[in-house]
Amino acid sequence: AQKVTQAQTEISVVEKEDVTLDCVYETRDTTYYLFWYKQPPSGELVFLIRRNSFDEQNEISGRYSWNFQKSTSSFNFTITASQVVDSAVYFCALSDTGRRALTFGSGTRLQVQP
Amino acid sequence: NAGVTQTPKFRVLKTGQSMTLLCAQDMNHEYMYWYRQDPGMGLRLIHYSVGEGTTAKGEVPDGYNVSRLKKQNFLLGLESAAPSQTSVYFCATTVAEPNTEAFFGQGTRLTVV
Repeated sequence: AQKVTQAQTEISVVEKEDVTLDCVYETRDTTYYLFWYKQPPSGELVFLIRRNSFDEQNEISGRYSWNFQKSTSSFNFTITASQVVDSAVYFCALSDTGRRALTFGSGTRLQVQP
Repeated sequence: NAGVTQTPKFRVLKTGQSMTLLCAQDMNHEYMYWYRQDPGMGLRLIHYSVGEGTTAKGEVPDGYNVSRLKKQNFLLGLESAAPSQTSVYFCATTVAEPNTEAFFGQGTRLTVV
């Protein structure tokens, strides 16, 4: 069975601080896909990034960066110079090649104080 | 191009009542899903469909039924609502190609009293 653990339930930072959201996953599949979604206070789910199990390259997109390490089964997300608009719940998720359904972590609520 | 649309957005039911949630997509995606989101638990898969006329159970299917008579629509039914089904329900769609993200509807907030 697949499992995603986001051990940080809630993080509070002051604007312009850097923050890292942790994600640890478990799967028996050799081919799998990892995702991060953002859920702002308005409630919708916004896709941020996907990674497949064969691509361990880290990625940077503006203030966002992702560190994928198969050796530790982790897919961590860092926001540099956080802003109030980054305040949201962030979900890490895992899917397989079969039914393609997502297994979500419990989410990390990020509060960025001005 | 609306993407994924859920109807209704909010609903209050009395225990024992029935209702149907509609998910409609205009992206021609093969795969469709129903998830529920409860506080502190992330989203959990209720049922899913890999194509028109097919459905399958997810992790938390009890108390729900689904149908996919048309490719663009995925219906979630509650035959006899219970307070434990109070939740936010999300529909999602994706294509068969594995390395693609899922697209979510805006959610339906259901309260069973």
